[in-house]
Amino acid sequence: GAVVSQHPSWVICKSGTSVKIECRSLDFQATTMFWYRQFPKQSLMLMATSNEGSKATYEQGVEKDKFLINHASLTLSTLTVTSAHPEDSSFYICSARDQLADYNEQFFGPGTRLTVL
Amino acid sequence: GQNIDQPTEMTATEGAIVQINCTYQTSGFNGLFWYQQHAGEAPTFLSYNVLDGLEEKGRFSSFLSRSKGYSYLLLKELQMKDSASYLCAVLDSNYQLIWGAGTKLIIKP
Repeated sequence: GAVVSQHPSWVICKSGTSVKIECRSLDFQATTMFWYRQFPKQSLMLMATSNEGSKATYEQGVEKDKFLINHASLTLSTLTVTSAHPEDSSFYICSARDQLADYNEQFFGPGTRLTVL
Repeated sequence: GQNIDQPTEMTATEGAIVQINCTYQTSGFNGLFWYQQHAGEAPTFLSYNVLDGLEEKGRFSSFLSRSKGYSYLLLKELQMKDSASYLCAVLDSNYQLIWGAGTKLIIKP
């Protein structure tokens, strides 16, 4: 099956610093990638939809200037959490849609656990 | 608005059968997914239904009734490793996934 990787798996940073998370589709081209955030014991919350070569579409309530998304190629999307604060600590998960798959399945990366001190 | 409902938590016994229900109200429908998520990990795909009926895949089966806006995931011969959250998600008319809050399944020996 299709594989999506995320890097780093976990990161601890000081308040006020920026953190970049990479999401890569390893064996397929993904014109669309999705970024989710998940707080403990809660469901996935879609933050934004990232389309290759165009601006990301952000969900209501998600600050686009704080969560910068770049989808520069068909296999790579990055999420940068700028000026991170403790309330940004969460589990960030990306997924990618394989346009050639039998159905519109989203393949998930393993997630990145961000802890902001 | 769009809404997906599933029970918050269920408990079952090892070796038994459990059915997790999901009802949905969405703007359009292009299929329903079930995902399994273990604590601290990303979701993994279990099943996809777009037509009415039952899809069987090993110990797991998924059923869909579009007219009723209803699906269930059936897990047979439960194993301890099946303890996880099970997420129901619907692909709406814009091909965007609408997620349920998930059902935490606890398996007891």
